[in-house]
Amino acid sequence: NAGVTQTPKFQVLKTGQSMTLQCAQDMNHNSMYWYRQDPGMGLRLIYYSASEGTTDKGEVPNGYNVSRLNKREFSLRLESAAPSQTSVYFCASRWSSGNTIYFGEGSWLTVV
Amino acid sequence: DQQVKQNSPSLSVQEGRISILNCDYTNSMFDYFLWYKKYPAEGPTFLISISSIKDKNEDGRFTVFLNKSAKHLSLHIVPSQPGDSAVYFCAASALAYYGGATNKLIFGTGTLLAVQP
Repeated sequence: NAGVTQTPKFQVLKTGQSMTLQCAQDMNHNSMYWYRQDPGMGLRLIYYSASEGTTDKGEVPNGYNVSRLNKREFSLRLESAAPSQTSVYFCASRWSSGNTIYFGEGSWLTVV
Repeated sequence: DQQVKQNSPSLSVQEGRISILNCDYTNSMFDYFLWYKKYPAEGPTFLISISSIKDKNEDGRFTVFLNKSAKHLSLHIVPSQPGDSAVYFCAASALAYYGGATNKLIFGTGTLLAVQP
């Protein structure tokens, strides 16, 4: 079972470049999330999507955009990457009536 | 404003002994709490959870205790094993407030547990 799949796993960007992190889940979950993990900061919610066609800001949305393409896919876009966006990004999903979210393996992004 | 706090960045225990990881929260609307475990280069995985209607939940070697009046929860691992060495994240949600599909988890900063053989 694939669960939550993220691509790419590693990426180096130059300041000002744009890129999109892709996420897909095969668990038929309604809700999907993007978190970032930074040393000493834990996991912080960037954006989430309660259902197909809806998205909402989390704790740290600035500099990011998201698209809930369909029920399976939730992408995170950096329009103009900044060194402060160097982080590990985790996509996650949850069934609407469940309380547990399931994470992908992470995407390591470095902005130089 | 950190709504979920894990004040110990790291903890070292001997194999076979008890590990106690602590978590404090500030938002009184939180009514569901989870612990996640994370190994390096992997995503966090769910470990155990507790609803605010309980004060204890047990699953094998793992027990979570909730003290609502103190806004404090703890994870006990007994006995600790070297394979338990990982970062442990506490997370909280306000199910009754957000409900269903819009519910989201707020995480603490994590505690790195090292179990020495």
